[in-house]
Amino acid sequence: NAGVTQTPKFQVLKTGQSMTLQCAQDMNHEYMSWYRQDPGMGLRLIHYSVGAGITDQGEVPNGYNVSRSTTEDFPLRLLSAAPSQTSVYFCASSYLGIAKNIQYFGAGTRLSVL
Amino acid sequence: AQSVAQPEDQVNVAEGNPLTVKCTYSVSGNPYLFWYVQYPNRGLQFLLKYITGDNLVKGSYGFEAEFNKSQTSFHLKKPSALVSDSALYFCAPLLGGSTLGRLYFGRGTQLTVWP
Repeated sequence: NAGVTQTPKFQVLKTGQSMTLQCAQDMNHEYMSWYRQDPGMGLRLIHYSVGAGITDQGEVPNGYNVSRSTTEDFPLRLLSAAPSQTSVYFCASSYLGIAKNIQYFGAGTRLSVL
Repeated sequence: AQSVAQPEDQVNVAEGNPLTVKCTYSVSGNPYLFWYVQYPNRGLQFLLKYITGDNLVKGSYGFEAEFNKSQTSFHLKKPSALVSDSALYFCAPLLGGSTLGRLYFGRGTQLTVWP
């Protein structure tokens, strides 16, 4: 009964470092996405994927990279961390289409860039 | 352009009183509208959605929402608030048509229910 699993839960980086935030789901969902949550800004979409091998940009993609080699995994890469990327990151997954579209969220990764 | 507005950053109500969290939207085509809730230090959880049909949608934890096409609104309501309802609430239209799954979130409304 895992749902959407995100690792790590917390991370501190120095400016310029790179890292990968992991996201895995066990519900066989086609759609996966990454959001960042900042105070007063709601959730903003970074990247999303509608299936293995298919990714696309959301509202705020700069500085982030994604790939989707399997249905289950959707890692988010920070290429060269900047203080502006300090945020809480959420991964979500769902079926495509309207009828079954309920997005399931991971517990989040709290990232600080110094 | 697509947009969603939650005009109140904070809503405060007494336990046992009715609550309303407001949402207005602007989307092209048929609106597919969702409400999600976020408890402290947790991810978001689905509450309810409007796709088509009855304008009054019932969801989890006794919440309901009323879709009003003429006013382009989708307000979240509950007849009797509980302290445990205190959380951050997000309204979100689903974008991209029926084959895609992109949610576009509002800025959120912090609901506080005091005993």
